[in-house]
Amino acid sequence: EVQLVESGGGLVQPGRSLRLSCAASGFTFDDYAMNWVRQAPGKGLEWVSSISWNSGNIGYADSVRGRFTISRDNTKNSLYLQMNSLRADDTALYYCAKDTGSTWSEFDYWGQGSLVTVSS
Amino acid sequence: SSELTQDPAVSVALGQTVRITCQGDSLRSYYATWYQQKPGQAPVLVIYGKNNRPSGIPDRFSGSSSGNTASLTITGAQAEDEADYYCNSRDSSGKHLNVVFGGGTKLTVL
Repeated sequence: EVQLVESGGGLVQPGRSLRLSCAASGFTFDDYAMNWVRQAPGKGLEWVSSISWNSGNIGYADSVRGRFTISRDNTKNSLYLQMNSLRADDTALYYCAKDTGSTWSEFDYWGQGSLVTVSS
Repeated sequence: SSELTQDPAVSVALGQTVRITCQGDSLRSYYATWYQQKPGQAPVLVIYGKNNRPSGIPDRFSGSSSGNTASLTITGAQAEDEADYYCNSRDSSGKHLNVVFGGGTKLTVL
C-alpha cells in the first residue's frame, strides 16, 4: 500500500524558515518523480514544486522560486521542501504527491498534508 | 505562465450526466489530469492521460479533449460524486517548465 506521510509543519513567523518532510512507503521511491502541492484555507490547489527521480530536473512555481528548495533522499525514501523567507500568503496545507511516472502533472497518490501557518 | 479556467460551480440531478470543463492554452500541448476532492480529504486522481482511470475509479468517469478545452464527464452522477473537481496540466509557455491547476469546480448532485 502506497503511503505518503508529511511532517514538519507548524506556526512560523514571517521571514523565518521551515522544512517539510514526506516519508514514502509501499512503492519503489526512486522510480518516480515527486511533487509538492499546497492549498490555502478555503482555496484551490496550487502546484509548488516537482523533482525528477534522480533530482536531475527540478521545477518551482513562480510564487516560491528563489525561496523554496525541493530535494529528495532516495536512500531514505524521503522528499523534502525547505521553505525560507516565509510570507503570510504561504499559509496552506502542503501535500506531498507521487507522480505516475515522470509527468509532473499526474499525481496518483497524495499524503494527508502538513499545515503551515505563517503569522506573527 | 498560462492559466486553466474552470466554472466555479456546476449542478446535476441524481443519475444524470454532467460535463465539467477546463480551458487553457497549455491544453493544446498537454493532456489535462482530473482530481476529485471531498471536504477535509486529500485530492484523488480520477482521470489522467488521454482518458485513463486509476483502479478503483468507477467507469462513469471519463475524460476528453478538444483544442484548448478538456472535459470530465460523469455519466449517471451519484450522490457520492458531490465534490470539488480540479484539472491540471504541464505548462511550457514561460521560461520555466511549470504545472498549472484550474481554480476548481464545485459539483452539487441534486
